[in-house]
Amino acid sequence: AQSVSQHNHHVILSEAASLELGCNYSYGGTVNLFWYVQYPGQHLQLLLKYFSGDPLVKGIKGFEAEFIKSKFSFNLRKPSVQWSDTAEYFCAASGGSNYKLTFGKGTLLTVNP
Amino acid sequence: NAGVTQTPKFRVLKTGQSMTLLCAQDMNHEYMYWYRQDPGMGLRLIHYSVGEGTTAKGEVPDGYNVSRLKKQNFLLGLESAAPSQTSVYFCASRQSGTGKTYGYTFGSGTRLTVV
Repeated sequence: AQSVSQHNHHVILSEAASLELGCNYSYGGTVNLFWYVQYPGQHLQLLLKYFSGDPLVKGIKGFEAEFIKSKFSFNLRKPSVQWSDTAEYFCAASGGSNYKLTFGKGTLLTVNP
Repeated sequence: NAGVTQTPKFRVLKTGQSMTLLCAQDMNHEYMYWYRQDPGMGLRLIHYSVGEGTTAKGEVPDGYNVSRLKKQNFLLGLESAAPSQTSVYFCASRQSGTGKTYGYTFGSGTRLTVV
C-alpha cells in the first residue's frame, strides 16, 4: 500500500538553528512528492514539490528538499530557521498516474526566539 | 479567481444531525478531494472524484457520502453525525494529467464539532 512516513512528531529548535525534517515514502513506479506547511489556524500552503529532474528542489521561504530515490526519502531542509517558521509540516506523495495525494502524519516545528 | 471555496467555515452539530459541506472550485479542475485532519493523524482522504458524476472511496469513507453533480462542486454529506466526526475538513482540487503541469489547490477548511 502507498504510504508516507515522517520521522519526527515534534521538533523544537532555537532561532538560527538548521532544520532537517525526514520523510520516507512507499510507492511503486513514478512518484510525485510535496511538502506543505500549515501555520497555526491556517490552511495548507505548498512549500515545494518534486516531479522529475534535479533532485534538489528549492521552495518558498528558503526551504529546500532533496529526493533520494535509493533511500525513498524526500527530506526538508532549511539552513537557519526563524520564529515565524513555527508550524506543522506535512510531506505528501502521489503516484504518476495515481489520482490520490497521501499525507504523512505531520511534524510540528516549534522555533524558540 | 477564488480557487477552492469551502462553506461553512465552522459548524457545531448535535449527534445524529445531518449536514452537507460544500466545496466549489473555479479552476475547471477535473479532480476533487475531501480530506479530514485530526491531531497526530495528518490528512486522511475520505472520498474523491475524478470527474463530474463520478466518486470513489478514500482511506476513511465510513459515515460520509459525496456527490459531484456539477464539475465545479463536490459535496460531502454526513447523514447522522457522530462525535468521532469532529474534525477539520479540507477540500482540494487539481487538473487532470501528470507531470509538472498539475498541482493541488486546497480550501481553507471547515471546522466541524459534533457534540
